[in-house]
Amino acid sequence: AQSVAQPEDQVNVAEGNPLTVKCTYSVSGNPYLFWYVQYPNRGLQFLLKYITGDNLVKGSYGFEAEFNKSQTSFHLKKPSALVSDSALYFCAVRDTRRRDSWGKLQFGAGTQVVVTP
Amino acid sequence: GAVVSQHPSWVICKSGTSVKIECRSLDFQATTMFWYRQFPKQSLMLMATSNEGSKATYEQGVEKDKFLINHASLTLSTLTVTSAHPEDSSFYICSARDLQELYEQYFGPGTRLTVT
Repeated sequence: AQSVAQPEDQVNVAEGNPLTVKCTYSVSGNPYLFWYVQYPNRGLQFLLKYITGDNLVKGSYGFEAEFNKSQTSFHLKKPSALVSDSALYFCAVRDTRRRDSWGKLQFGAGTQVVVTP
Repeated sequence: GAVVSQHPSWVICKSGTSVKIECRSLDFQATTMFWYRQFPKQSLMLMATSNEGSKATYEQGVEKDKFLINHASLTLSTLTVTSAHPEDSSFYICSARDLQELYEQYFGPGTRLTVT
């Protein structure tokens, strides 16, 4: 079975400081990994994905994530956080092994990011 | 590109009534759409996978007779909550897979359902 863990319910960071949101995964086979952001009462916005290739993935709004196979992690990072980055962030993994679950996303519990001025 | 809309954005209904939520892919064709449910400050829970022209596949524990899903065209899927109860109050989000893309899903803005 596949799973995604986001160990932190909330991350607090001052504006201008680096932001890291942690994600670890457990899958059979090669993982397809995603990060999404959700603002209050809104749907999810895609930030970035890892399918294959370079372990460092660059995405929208200055975010990047590093795929680490040995640590089964896919942490989201931003060098300098903005107040507008305050939102709920979800890590997700897509099942690629089972045909009857092709395309399904398994989401982590979410991490609330609070960036203070 | 790749815009998914949902209608309505919010709805209030009385217990026992039914409510329909529409999910549309505006600028692409979606053979597969997914319906999620999200409780406050919680993650998204997949309810069902909707494939155009065929019956939806429901996740374990989701009542198919209560949550009716229809995917009649490549751009429209509907979720009907039948005989709604207050515990059905939630945020419902759909997503759609582009026929031309392998990896990404595009999410709608969500529908807030409140059952009184």
